[in-house]
Amino acid sequence: QKEVEQNSGPLSVPEGAIASLNCTYSDRGSQSFFWYRQYSGKSPELIMSIYSNGDKEDGRFTAQLNKASQYVSLLIRDSQPSDSATYLCAVIVAGGTSYGKLTFGQGTILTVHP
Amino acid sequence: DTEVTQTPKHLVMGMTNKKSLKCEQHMGHRAMYWYKQKAKKPPELMFVYSYEKLSINESVPSRFSPECPNSSLLNLHLHALQPEDSALYLCASSQEEGVDTQYFGPGTRLTVL
Repeated sequence: QKEVEQNSGPLSVPEGAIASLNCTYSDRGSQSFFWYRQYSGKSPELIMSIYSNGDKEDGRFTAQLNKASQYVSLLIRDSQPSDSATYLCAVIVAGGTSYGKLTFGQGTILTVHP
Repeated sequence: DTEVTQTPKHLVMGMTNKKSLKCEQHMGHRAMYWYKQKAKKPPELMFVYSYEKLSINESVPSRFSPECPNSSLLNLHLHALQPEDSALYLCASSQEEGVDTQYFGPGTRLTVL
């Protein structure tokens, strides 16, 4: 089982819609969770960090964390064509051989079409 | 300010060349990281420096040699690289190793001929 799993997509949504990106992780002790956005040829840019169960909102972005289900998601409201990018879910692993490392999922490609 | 800078932006080198990648941060972070990213893959950790000491070396070939001259600077020295080493090389920093948000620099696009 991969430590961090995401649907690779591509996910295509119309402009103005809600885009929902999902991520599951295997290490139950993990405490720190991140979403990064990466445009083609550019470096990852932090969108959200979340540490506690529940929702965290920042503008059009909402991160949701459910530690019991080992699940973290990112909702993008009012999606814009400029949101088209690869979204990387990342977890700081709390145990095992990857202890303390920022471990990435494979990324979900999001396309927002006009 | 969450800025990490990297130079150069692009680098083309032959297999016999020696070159260096540079990274700088002025956020007072005590952990700095080198990642390698191939196309359509997530970043892969190469090295971690914590308080200017090498903390993690992910079994990277010796043709990659990291250096941390001070708490703000991180270098990656390259020698006798192979074409398969062509990738985007990312530097990141965080307040402390292993617990805090990592902020990435813009990366160096390396091509090995």
